[in-house]
Amino acid sequence: GAGVSQSPSNKVTEKGKDVELRCDPISGHTALYWYRQSLGQGLEFLIYFQGNSAPDKSGLPSDRFSAERTGGSVSTLTIQRTQQEDSAVYLCASSLEGKRGTVAQPQHFGDGTRLSIL
Amino acid sequence: RKEVEQDPGPFNVPEGATVAFNCTYSNSASQSFFWYRQDCRKEPKLLMSVYSSGNEDGRFTAQLNRASQYISLLIRDSKLSDSATYLCVVLIYNQGGKLIFGQGTELSVKP
Repeated sequence: GAGVSQSPSNKVTEKGKDVELRCDPISGHTALYWYRQSLGQGLEFLIYFQGNSAPDKSGLPSDRFSAERTGGSVSTLTIQRTQQEDSAVYLCASSLEGKRGTVAQPQHFGDGTRLSIL
Repeated sequence: RKEVEQDPGPFNVPEGATVAFNCTYSNSASQSFFWYRQDCRKEPKLLMSVYSSGNEDGRFTAQLNRASQYISLLIRDSKLSDSATYLCVVLIYNQGGKLIFGQGTELSVKP
């Protein structure tokens, strides 16, 4: 079946421009995560959406970053006034929500958006 | 066929058990390999890189067989705190450093 879909797969833009990254999760998955991976770094959590609850934004690195999830499905990550340090692979993942106290439900990752800021 | 495949689990084991996770990858251009662990509602965290010669970090041993395109993770003397999902990850440089993740293997260690 269809997995997590992200677009665009690659984005090259000039410093100072705004960019918008899209994530379409697996149907029926209530949890959606954004991560980024910089060269040589591990995965860095950015933001987490679960159903209608307020998102966990604790990983957003600055106020230039924002995300929304419309209708509990598609999510958009927006980076305003991009900087060179924003260059990274931005990964989206979705999962079913596990029961409290159990191990995490497997996260299904998209292929990522490779963002390059010139 | 997925590019990185893992046993989905769950693996339910008692404390002190030895458990092995397997992973296969299909892209021969894969050049770097990692195991991540992921706790409930947390981001995946790098557990260890995997080297061709095999490497060990305490109770954890990782092996890579490039000819078979196979990666393994062995956990000895498992602890309750090892309960998590373990992600097999490969990095493909000729695709611009694209990270390919397995879907993860769930481990539950019971008292």
